[in-house]
Amino acid sequence: EDQVTQSPEALRLQEGESSSLNCSYTVSGLRGLFWYRQDPGKGPEFLFTLYSAGEEKEKERLKATLTKKESFLHITAPKPEDSATYLCAVHRSNDYKLSFGAGTTVTVRA
Amino acid sequence: SAVISQKPSRDICQRGTSLTIQCQVDSQVTMMFWYRQQPGQSLTLIATANQGSEATYESGFVIDKFPISRPNLTFSTLTVSNMSPEDSSIYLCSVGSSANEQFFGPGTRLTVL
Repeated sequence: EDQVTQSPEALRLQEGESSSLNCSYTVSGLRGLFWYRQDPGKGPEFLFTLYSAGEEKEKERLKATLTKKESFLHITAPKPEDSATYLCAVHRSNDYKLSFGAGTTVTVRA
Repeated sequence: SAVISQKPSRDICQRGTSLTIQCQVDSQVTMMFWYRQQPGQSLTLIATANQGSEATYESGFVIDKFPISRPNLTFSTLTVSNMSPEDSSIYLCSVGSSANEQFFGPGTRLTVL
């Protein structure tokens, strides 16, 4: 059975204080690992897809990396508008389903 | 990415009643999905809405409780039947892309009293 574990559950940062979120996964045949951002009361917003170990993708202050067992979402010099819950999900190679982690809630204080 | 809308955006319903949630996409898509996000929880897949055939349900979800329609390639509905307070959740539709990514609608926040 797929397992996706995100840590920490919550992260409080000062504006400008860089940090990383972790997503550890166990899946048979990874087809893709996804990162989403979710604001309160809204649907998840797609950020990145990573397909193979060693791959990296960047968007503004966010950078996602992937190894064979985990993914990291690095937030560089965060701003208050980066406050959100960040969700990780894995996609198996033999079907269409996404299995989500519980998320990391990031709060950035000015 | 596709633009996805859902109606209603939120509702408060009485126990024992049913609510139908609509999901509209601005382009034709093959795969549409329905998820539930219970308070403080992550997303759980309810079913895949297949155009022209019955939906495929995940373990723990049944058609009598969550009937789904998919009349064409841009529209789907999810009905939450005979509701109880435990059904209070955010219900989300998503669509798959050719790159096997999934994009989500804004969600429907349901409260059952």
